[in-house]
Amino acid sequence: AQKITQTQPGMFVQEKEAVTLDCTYDTSDPSYGLFWYKQPSSGEMIFLIYQGSYDQQNATEGRYSLNFQKARKSANLVISASQLGDSAMYFCAMSANTGGFKTIFGAGTRLFVKA
Amino acid sequence: GAGVSQSPSNKVTEKGKDVELRCDPISGHTALYWYRQSLGQGLEFLIYFQGNSAPDKSGLPSDRFSAERTGGSVSTLTIQRTQQEDSAVYLCASSLEGTSGVKETQYFGPGTRLLVL
Repeated sequence: AQKITQTQPGMFVQEKEAVTLDCTYDTSDPSYGLFWYKQPSSGEMIFLIYQGSYDQQNATEGRYSLNFQKARKSANLVISASQLGDSAMYFCAMSANTGGFKTIFGAGTRLFVKA
Repeated sequence: GAGVSQSPSNKVTEKGKDVELRCDPISGHTALYWYRQSLGQGLEFLIYFQGNSAPDKSGLPSDRFSAERTGGSVSTLTIQRTQQEDSAVYLCASSLEGTSGVKETQYFGPGTRLLVL
């Protein structure tokens, strides 16, 4: 069975510092994709970053990077130079061929950025 | 271009009534997804459309829930005889093809907040 686990219900970070949001996953499919989404208080889900299981390098998008450790089945999101606007819920998600292209989501981590 | 739109943005209904939620995907996106998000929870997959067909309905919680998609575009999620536990935010997403599976980034609409009294 496929599963996404986010063990941090809430995280605090000081403005301008870096923060890592944890995500572990479980799948028996060799081909899968990992995603991170941001959900601000407005409720809309905003795509941040994608990592494919066969990608050799960690994905980066601006201040977001994905620390992909395949052997450990972890896909942590690193946000550098945190900004007040980064305060939101963050969801890790996975899709795999055997899941019928269904994307499953973790429970989320709420990030609070302190001024 | 325009993103995914959903209507209504908010819906309050009485227990036992039927409701219809609408999703208008990004133009040209053939894959469409419905999710449910209860308060403070993650996303629960409901149904996936590829074109007008639904190869994966596994997430629909009961036979009170149904969805259709016409013309490969707009989709409607219908909840019959609503119950209080149906109260949630219903999110729709679309992606370009759906068939490439793992590489398909989904783009989400703003959601419909449903409250069943």
